Amino acid sequence: EPEVTQTPSHQVTQMGQEVILRCVPISNHLYFYWYRQILGQKVEFLVSFYNNEISEKSEIFDDQFSVERPDGSNFTLKIRSTKLEDSAMYFCASRPLAGVVDTQYFGPGTRLTVL
Amino acid sequence: AQTVTQSQPEMSVQEAETVTLSCTYDTSESDYYLFWYKQPPSRQMILVIRQEAYKQQNATENRFSVNFQKAAKSFSLKISDSQLGDAAMYFCAYRSGDSGGGADGLTFGKGTHLIIQP
Repeated sequence: EPEVTQTPSHQVTQMGQEVILRCVPISNHLYFYWYRQILGQKVEFLVSFYNNEISEKSEIFDDQFSVERPDGSNFTLKIRSTKLEDSAMYFCASRPLAGVVDTQYFGPGTRLTVL
Repeated sequence: AQTVTQSQPEMSVQEAETVTLSCTYDTSESDYYLFWYKQPPSRQMILVIRQEAYKQQNATENRFSVNFQKAAKSFSLKISDSQLGDAAMYFCAYRSGDSGGGADGLTFGKGTHLIIQP
């Protein structure tokens, strides 16, 4: 069964550094998402992406964040100048245009640790 | 803005018994979708069950079923014949139905930690 994949599984970085989290959505999916989960807290929506542009973003998704679909398979989240409070689990999700259109399928997550 | 409330931080059930996890939500929309996701210790988010608000019939997936009460804005998850592998965090989530073009980020509750006692 097709899956959303994410790399790396764990990223450790120094405060102020830039990180890029990578996701490969399910191949026939056209809608892409990023969520984050701070340890012990609920999952929070960051951004949705469709047709090569941001469809929706939350208040969390400020100027330090950006997303990109650099090629036909990858979907990336870039965090510029990381802060300690960016430490969290980051989940990518995707959903198809047709079929069970309302269901988002999640990747295994990337654990980001900012020191 | 929509909100999702899970009032039970933790629930415990004996193996093979039935447990119900509560979820309420607040919305002014009439068209929306509701989901239960499971997050085991690996922290992967796994879809358990989904419900379309326009459907009166409660969704069922094997041992998992929901009690969807639209007027009360309640969406509880019932797990029958609990198994050790059901132990996880369970998150209730809401998605607006009026979200063309991909503006459909999920709103999650804080989760319920389900413990299965052998």
